Order: sequence, then structure tokens, then C-alpha cells
Amino acid sequence: SQQGEEDPQALSIQEGENATMNCSYKTSINNLQWYRQNSGRGLVHLILIRSNEREKHSGRLRVTLDTSKKSSSLLITASRAADTASYFCATDARGNNRLAFGKGNQVVVIP
Amino acid sequence: KAGVTQTPRYLIKTRGQQVTLSCSPISGHRSVSWYQQTPGQGLQFLFEYFSETQRNKGNFPGRFSGRQFSNSRSEMNVSTLELGDSALYLCASSSNIGGSYNEQFFGPGTRLTVL
Repeated sequence: SQQGEEDPQALSIQEGENATMNCSYKTSINNLQWYRQNSGRGLVHLILIRSNEREKHSGRLRVTLDTSKKSSSLLITASRAADTASYFCATDARGNNRLAFGKGNQVVVIP
Repeated sequence: KAGVTQTPRYLIKTRGQQVTLSCSPISGHRSVSWYQQTPGQGLQFLFEYFSETQRNKGNFPGRFSGRQFSNSRSEMNVSTLELGDSALYLCASSSNIGGSYNEQFFGPGTRLTVL
């Protein structure tokens, strides 16, 4: 079954604005990862946050993890047109022996 | 390092045929996972191979099979194709050694269309 569920499903913003996406999951995890996919191509790994971490940064990306609420958020600051893509969260759930992806969150950044 | 490569990139088959897709992982990566991506079901895990052994398997029928060679290259096979098998098939490699899944490096995918 799908572990990650992103919210909102689709987001349209102006260049320069921030974009925030949320992901919820159901069971205990080893880690949670965010990926980006451009228009039907392969996924690109963005960031991995472990279950004992609460926040992580990578460039313009900020990820938070709240294991008590079983949720994570991805913040993209100062968005660019090149950030237009689908964003997926994926959970490595304990005992699940697989990386389970959410359905994705489509972000459109308008120049 | 060269990235993950998948061949072919596009494939058109008819119902009942079989197909073999190939994936070459990043050099040094021993774990190869396969995913099916469709608009309706999203990204679904097919199976993972590590050192020529299937280590994990998703909930797909037996028509979907795979294997991994000693050089870590992997193939997946789908027999008796159905219309619903039309999808983007993605391969990912990683340095997963222990029990948790680390960063996955994805290939560009093979777009399979079943007519």
C-alpha cells in the first residue's frame, strides 16, 4: 500500500514565491525521502531525512519531519521556473522492505 | 560516474506478447529496484535485486519477473502483456547494503505501450 500521501496535489505559484508541500504516512519509518520528476522522466533524489532528524536543508530546500504526527513537509524557497515538476515523498517503512512513494504533487512555477 | 541507463527508452507491443527491459546501474551499486509508474496507480514497487538475488517483491502477478547478473545489470520481463501494463518502467540503483533504503538513483525509464 502507498505510504506517502502528499498534500496539496497541485500547486501553481509565481516565480520567487515559496512552495510548501506536505506528506503524511502511516507507520514507523527508517527515513523519508523527497524526489522530483520532470515530465515523465526519471526521478531525481532531493533530500533524505532520517527518523531521528527533525529538519534538514539543502540549498533552497528545507524538509521537516514530525514523527509524532507522521508527517513531513518540503519547502522550496524563492522558486524558479525550473522548479516546475512533480514532487514525491517516499518512505522507507520499518519492516516493509521497500521504498513506498506517494502519488506526487505537481508544482507549476509561472515566470 | 555514469548514471543509470535503461534500454530501450520506448517500446510498443501488442497484447499477449512479452517484453524484456534492461537496466545498468551506477558502477559499484549492487541494489537495483524496479518501479511501474502509471497515472492511475502512481509509482508502484515491483522488486529489488541485490547481488543477483531478489531481495524484495511488490504485489504484482507472476507475469512480472526479473533477474540480476553478476555485473549488477538487471532485466525485467513481462509476459503475456495486457493493456494495463502500459506504463513508464523505472529502474533505480543504490548502495543499499543493510536493511534501510538509501538514496535511489533513477534511470530515465522505459515507456511501454501495449496495443
